[in-house]
Order: sequence, then C-alpha cells, then structure tokens
Amino acid sequence: QEQLVESGGGVVQPGGSLRLSCKTSGFTFSLYGIHWVRQAPGKGPEWAAFIGHAGGEKTYAESVKGRFTVSRDNSDDTAYLQMNSLRVEDTAVYYCAKLTSWGGSWPWGQGTRVIVSA
Amino acid sequence: QSALTQPASVSGSPGQSVTISCTGSSSDIGAYTYVSWYQQHPGKAPTLLISDVSRRRTGASYRFSGFKTGNTASLTIAGLQADDEADYYCSSYTGSNTWAFGGGTKVTVL
Repeated sequence: QEQLVESGGGVVQPGGSLRLSCKTSGFTFSLYGIHWVRQAPGKGPEWAAFIGHAGGEKTYAESVKGRFTVSRDNSDDTAYLQMNSLRVEDTAVYYCAKLTSWGGSWPWGQGTRVIVSA
Repeated sequence: QSALTQPASVSGSPGQSVTISCTGSSSDIGAYTYVSWYQQHPGKAPTLLISDVSRRRTGASYRFSGFKTGNTASLTIAGLQADDEADYYCSSYTGSNTWAFGGGTKVTVL
C-alpha cells in the first residue's frame, strides 16, 4: 500500500539546521507532488511547503520562506525538507503527504518531531 | 496565505448529525474546488475524509459528506458515533501552489 515515512527530526538549538527525509513506497513517486505540513503542540496543521512531481515547482508558506528548502530525488522515491535558521516557533511534528488528483493530501506519514530549544 | 475559520467545537448525541463550517474568502474556498476535510485523533496523523469539496476518499465512511456555498465549505457527519469524536480540519487551495488549513473543530459525542 502507499506509504510515507519521515525521519530526521530531533532537538536543535535556535539558529541550527535539520534535514528531514520522506521515504515513500507503494506508488509512482515521480507522478505526484508532495506536501510538507507541520503541527505545533496543541495547534492545527500548518501547510509549510510543496514540491511538484518533477521538482520544478516549489512553494513555501511565508513563515518558512527563505529558511526552508524542499527537494526530491525521484530515483530514490524520497522527498526532503532542509530547515535552516531554525526558530523556537518551528517546534512541531512535521508530516509529508502525497497530493492527490483531487487536491487532498493522502496518505500522510507518521510524522517526525522537531524541537527547537536552547 | 489566507486563514480559514472554523468553529472551535461542535457536539451531538449518538445518531445525530452535526455540521462543521469552514469560512474562507473569494481567494481560496470561493475560487477553487480543491477543498478538503481531515479527521485527526489524538496522537495520530490527519486522515483525509473529503477532497474536491465533496469527493469522499475511498474507504472513508459514507456518513461524511462535504459541500460548498460561496466562500464557505461544510462537512456533515451523519449518524454520529463515538469514534467520530476527534478534531476536524478543512483545507483549501489558495492559488500558486499554496494551501491553507482551518484552525480546527473539536467534535464531542455526548
């Protein structure tokens, strides 16, 4: 079945960097765009970034623009989120999700937790 | 990106129907059909229920239905069950490959 598995989260100091990975299986990765969505503790999901199926389209929420970079390797069925200049407010569970033909995101990974703290 | 407004909570008794609204603007919900609804149980990832305003995901219960009027989308849960107690989020395409989520609605089954 279709599956996405995030990894790379952890604890980092403000100003630090992390690279998240989203390893996929069960579908033709190169045909689908991938979202990164984050959810801060006790809050709702926040769309963070999107990468198109071929990697040419990349968009970001204003809150992460200029600090986060999304990329993908279609030969390895994996998407990435490079997070630089991390702030305390970036603390969240980060999910990747496949964009469906009908505009929804499905399935989602299990999430990877990022904690930005001094 | 725009913000989508949802009521903080709704409640109903088992067997009743509840409707959750999601109000946006002419730049998001009013402009596109890419409106989705998600269910999230504590500690779990969100689960897609509805996309394209009213298209139920294969495997999602028929008791969930979606519709849109103008700048407001709605999710109705018919025949409320105990397992429906969860947080529900709407999401809309906002143009130029950007998306927004609503603040979420907690559904309580009385």
